[in-house]
Amino acid sequence: GAGVSQTPSNKVTEKGKYVELRCDPISGHTALYWYRQSLGQGPEFLIYFQGTGAADDSGLPNDRFFAVRPEGSVSTLKIQRTERGDSAMYLCASSLGMAEYNEQFFGPGTRLTVL
Amino acid sequence: LAKTTQPISMDSYEGQEVNITCSHNNIATNDYITWYQQFPSQGPRFIIQGYKTKVTNEVASLFIPADRKSSTLSLPRVSLSDTAVYYCLVAINDYKLSFGAGTTVTVRA
Repeated sequence: GAGVSQTPSNKVTEKGKYVELRCDPISGHTALYWYRQSLGQGPEFLIYFQGTGAADDSGLPNDRFFAVRPEGSVSTLKIQRTERGDSAMYLCASSLGMAEYNEQFFGPGTRLTVL
Repeated sequence: LAKTTQPISMDSYEGQEVNITCSHNNIATNDYITWYQQFPSQGPRFIIQGYKTKVTNEVASLFIPADRKSSTLSLPRVSLSDTAVYYCLVAINDYKLSFGAGTTVTVRA
């Protein structure tokens, strides 16, 4: 079956611009996660959705970052006034429920470059 | 979350067995041990999970001693395509996967 998909695969933007990154989770997965991965490091948690609501957004670095999942399926990560330090791989994952023991299925990521 | 320590990198050759040991001295009673694999330009992929003793699947084996303060991921007869970063994670009821820097395994011909 189809896995987690993310669009675009690459995004280049200029400092100060607004960007949206999209995630399509596996059908039927109620839990959705966003992570950010810098070069040479492991992914870092940003936000977790259970259904339509953000159950935990404690990993969002500041108020320039926001994510939505209005219908409990597709999610969009929004970054306002981008900065060069926002350049990273943004990964989305989904799971059947809260991933206590459920494995998280990751998408291929969106590589964001802020010039 | 229990802190984990694993080697930064390991080199191997095709056909050899690769063993990656992860230390997690302050693992809690209810924590499970999970390993993920990440190829370049891809998201991480779940490999294996265990609580104690030994777990084996089609990809790898996971050995966990009785004190559970460490675990060893064993990759049998590696091929070039096993070159990847391997992450050891310890968590309970936690959706915030904490990856650390992982172990970069390089398999050479």
